[in-house]
Amino acid sequence: QITLKESGPTLVKPTQTLTLTCTFSGFSLSTNGVGVGWIRQPPGKALEWLALIYWDDDKRYSPSLKSRLTITKDTSKNQVVLIMTNMDPVDTATYYCAHGFLFSSSWSLDYWGQGTLVTVSS
Amino acid sequence: SYVLTQPPSVSVAPGTTARITCGGNNIGSKNVHWYQQRPGQAPVLVIYYDSDRPSGIPERFSGSNSGNTATLTISRVEAGDEADYYCQVWDSSSDHAGVFGGGTKLTVL
Repeated sequence: QITLKESGPTLVKPTQTLTLTCTFSGFSLSTNGVGVGWIRQPPGKALEWLALIYWDDDKRYSPSLKSRLTITKDTSKNQVVLIMTNMDPVDTATYYCAHGFLFSSSWSLDYWGQGTLVTVSS
Repeated sequence: SYVLTQPPSVSVAPGTTARITCGGNNIGSKNVHWYQQRPGQAPVLVIYYDSDRPSGIPERFSGSNSGNTATLTISRVEAGDEADYYCQVWDSSSDHAGVFGGGTKLTVL
């Protein structure tokens, strides 16, 4: 049974750095074809893909946010960390992590965490 | 970067068929995945690789993809199908990134 759970601060100030942790169980991030992605959703708006880390430590980022994002993994702890710098009120959103699987050069996200709401405000 | 276009809303009566489209340049050459998101809940994968269903997803959900349009079809729509639906592809061009459509609100009349 695959589960994922996001954790981190619920409130950050503008210009601060956000660090979110995804703790998962039921799979190994060293398995070929497996990844963990981060997705966010501002209140009342659409999903936005942020980043994904592959089983072999390859990393992919949203082109529009690439300069602000860093994704890392700790396979021994079953955790993936997302760091986003220079936070702004427009970054207020629910942040989700999800289990990804790769087939035919395409990633889909088949298990999702419950999400964590992050508010950016002074 | 690659853009996916969905209609903001689709409305159907119970028992009828809902079709939600996802437009993109030559999207037929990509694998399309669909997610259902009920209010206050995390998204759920309902179709992957254009037309495959994860275990536990009813056969009423199906998908197709050709040319510049992918379609999620929900047959015999039920009240519980009312939700937001998102399409997603992996852009293997220079970006190598995930892309979501803007989402479609399905209303069951």
